[in-house]
Amino acid sequence: QQQVKQSPQSLIVQKGGISIINCAYENTAFDYFPWYQQFPGKGPALLIAIRPDVSEKKEGRFTISFNKSAKQFSLHIMDSQPGDSATYFCAAMSETSGSRLTFGEGTQLTVNP
Amino acid sequence: KAGVTQTPRYLIKTRGQQVTLSCSPISGHRSVSWYQQTPGQGLQFLFEYFSETQRNKGNFPGRFSGRQFSNSRSEMNVSTLELGDSALYLCASSLTPSNQPQHFGDGTRLSIL
Repeated sequence: QQQVKQSPQSLIVQKGGISIINCAYENTAFDYFPWYQQFPGKGPALLIAIRPDVSEKKEGRFTISFNKSAKQFSLHIMDSQPGDSATYFCAAMSETSGSRLTFGEGTQLTVNP
Repeated sequence: KAGVTQTPRYLIKTRGQQVTLSCSPISGHRSVSWYQQTPGQGLQFLFEYFSETQRNKGNFPGRFSGRQFSNSRSEMNVSTLELGDSALYLCASSLTPSNQPQHFGDGTRLSIL
């Protein structure tokens, strides 16, 4: 019940296109859903996060869509750029249970110029 | 403001040895969590410390331990190293356990020969 399933495993997009990564969770106690971006040799960096009281959150070119009833959330990267090429992780946690993040398996995004 | 600092960045050990990794959180952050990242298992939660107390522990053997000091700095220790312990060990900090987000350091790359 602690799992977070992420898809696709890898994604290739043309410059200027939209990248979409999906995640699904099982634990209904999860109430905080961040997305992290990781470049080789670096730690994960927080991109954007959402809580279940809203269905969508946008920050620049990055948007999280959240469907509480389906227990799914997704990351949309608009106008994808070669510099966005990285590994993206979704995660989930229950804030009342401390800082334990449960991560998805990761998506390797390649944006071709 | 300095980010999360992990030392050392790289370590090479042999089976049976023990190792200590260090993490300095962002100034003012009092919660520190540790994660293990491997290609096969992805990002997995090890443990969380707040106010020098372990609040949460992941599903790892007792060979993995940690502690937190009064200045919020944290260390993790792995004893009797096994080949499978080769991984990137990441530390993340947040203001408090329920006050997200968590910010990650760049990790310590541990290789076991």
